[in-house]
Amino acid sequence: GDSVTQTEGLVTLTEGLPVMLNCTYQSTYSPFLFWYVQHLNEAPKLLLKSFTDNKRPEHQGFHATLHKSSSSFHLQKSSAQLSDSALYYCALSLYGNEKITFGAGTKLTIKP
Amino acid sequence: EAAVTQSPRNKVAVTGGKVTLSCNQTNNHNNMYWYRQDTGHGLRLIHYSYGAGSTEKGDIPDGYKASRPSQENFSLILELATPSQTSVYFCASGEDRGNTGQLYFGEGSKLTVL
Repeated sequence: GDSVTQTEGLVTLTEGLPVMLNCTYQSTYSPFLFWYVQHLNEAPKLLLKSFTDNKRPEHQGFHATLHKSSSSFHLQKSSAQLSDSALYYCALSLYGNEKITFGAGTKLTIKP
Repeated sequence: EAAVTQSPRNKVAVTGGKVTLSCNQTNNHNNMYWYRQDTGHGLRLIHYSYGAGSTEKGDIPDGYKASRPSQENFSLILELATPSQTSVYFCASGEDRGNTGQLYFGEGSKLTVL
């Protein structure tokens, strides 16, 4: 079946350094990919999603590029902020299918 | 802002007891979902629904039932609760066609089964 893999369970970085969270997927078809963010004691919220028009999705300084050749959708930010500390989920869905599958999540902690 | 509300927010149940988690959405979305969140496993899909009267099995449906009596309401039912079902449960609603990816989550329901 379709699946999403996030290899890092915990990532700790110093403020101002670049962020990259890994996401790879397995799917029979070409899926849509998403990043969700969940701050402490809050509900998960959509951060950004892949597009098919070759535009790189960006939101709140984060961006991600869908690479079909490597089945990846890594999340990146050039300079981490303390407020970026949160749990990040990569997710996928297939066109015409309402099922949305999430990865195991990566907890990002930014230190001063 | 989309609104999804869950009840109860906290529940302590005994092994073998029946538990019902309720979810209400005011977004008029056709699709609704139940996920459980566990450290190391992330969000795992239990059941989902395309609309009133429909329920579909997700990735981990064993031990759970779902009910969608109306557009607004979607319940998750544990007929015989077990300690392994101790978790945080999230309900979500979403627009038609999963490729939009825009799920609106409730605040979560923490269930402890003793």
